[in-house]
Amino acid sequence: DTGVSQNPRHKITKRGQNVTFRCDPISEHNRLYWYRQTLGQGPEFLTYFQNEAQLEKSRLLSDRFSAERPKGSFSTLEIQRTEQGDSAMYLCASSLSLGADTQYFGPGTRLTVL
Amino acid sequence: QKEVEQNSGPLSVPEGAIASLNCTYSDRGSQSFFWYRQYSGKSPELIMSIYSNGDKEDGRFTAQLNKASQYVSLLIRDSQPSDSATYLCAVNANTDKLIFGTGTRLQVFP
Repeated sequence: DTGVSQNPRHKITKRGQNVTFRCDPISEHNRLYWYRQTLGQGPEFLTYFQNEAQLEKSRLLSDRFSAERPKGSFSTLEIQRTEQGDSAMYLCASSLSLGADTQYFGPGTRLTVL
Repeated sequence: QKEVEQNSGPLSVPEGAIASLNCTYSDRGSQSFFWYRQYSGKSPELIMSIYSNGDKEDGRFTAQLNKASQYVSLLIRDSQPSDSATYLCAVNANTDKLIFGTGTRLQVFP
């Protein structure tokens, strides 16, 4: 499978716990994006990487959220001290290069915070 | 004003008809435009991209872009029940991130 992969696909956690999600982009893609989608809304941008450099972070990304892409390949998104409002689908996308290149999405990780 | 606006629908069309989905955007500097299809509980799947004014056709799908009017649309010809999904309009304003609308839910009935 040469598409974007995400793990886990589903995560149920209790409020206050930490969670970590992983994204593996399409192999030759050097840009990797994280989005969050809640019911009835379009995906909202969280952050993105060009290789291992994190180039932009949304104001949506509070200090409880951290993302890494240490070797410019896979990325992790960690949420500390989860809150019920963090319940959402977390989507990862990747693209080849700068500017307008198309972003391809992974299957997403659905987070439920109890 | 939202940056990308879509009618949430649902838009109901009979099988075989043309479905017309519309999207407006606020940033005049926007350069690239995308339509994604999203089935319930699944992730967005790219349908079309368009960068220049005019029409772009791919099979049963036609994307139309009018930068002067800040308007982009998607036409689906010969609509099938399997086309029933939410269609997301996304815009890239040279910031390298996509700004999405809330999506239009399309229902194609037999």
